[in-house]
Amino acid sequence: DTVLTQSPALAVSPGERVTISCRASESVSTLMHWYQQKPGQQPKLLIYLASHLESGVPARFSGSGSGTDFTLTIDPVEADDTATYYCQQSWNDPWTFGGGTKLELK
Amino acid sequence: EVQLVESGGGLVQPGRSLKLSCAASGFTFSNYYMAWVRQAPKKGLEWVATISTSGSRTYYPDSVKGRFTISRDNAKSSLYLQMNSLKSEDTATYYCARRGSGYYDGTYYSGWFAYWGQGTLVTVSS
Repeated sequence: DTVLTQSPALAVSPGERVTISCRASESVSTLMHWYQQKPGQQPKLLIYLASHLESGVPARFSGSGSGTDFTLTIDPVEADDTATYYCQQSWNDPWTFGGGTKLELK
Repeated sequence: EVQLVESGGGLVQPGRSLKLSCAASGFTFSNYYMAWVRQAPKKGLEWVATISTSGSRTYYPDSVKGRFTISRDNAKSSLYLQMNSLKSEDTATYYCARRGSGYYDGTYYSGWFAYWGQGTLVTVSS
């Protein structure tokens, strides 16, 4: 299975720029997607196909990468962005998720 | 507005069965692949199953293959997950999700989860 590795946690101040990384154990082309999950809620799609912004998602969110290395950038970070962020690949079977990066605001 | 509402979760003993349902509304259900994704308590997300628009094709990871069956009733705009031979490690919140897909630069892509339900909790314990 394709393993997606994410840093467990990050802490940033409001107004700063933050990058959340996701590294795949093998190439996933550009079939990498990003989700935001707030406590007690279902995940919400932010970015699909590595860099496509989902409708309704603020332009503060952006994605980049291909192959094995991907990043989700939030610029500027707002207090409401406190959440866990997951990457997910759909290039290799089975589809897999990263372990999540918990973003905390200072 | 797209709505996905799961039901059927609860406490079940190891080795027993349980069937989850997902009622869809706000879109033409029969036009979309659908899926189930689960999340163990305080853990990450795991894809569980996907079904084609007609229901003729289904996909599972090895962790549930042979024990779980995904199905759909397009007339009722409903998705189902039959779970048999349940194990303690199947304890999780189960989410119903609509698969995303589309053409980009002339190529068809799919595989992201565009919409999610609120989830239903399944606890497998004696």
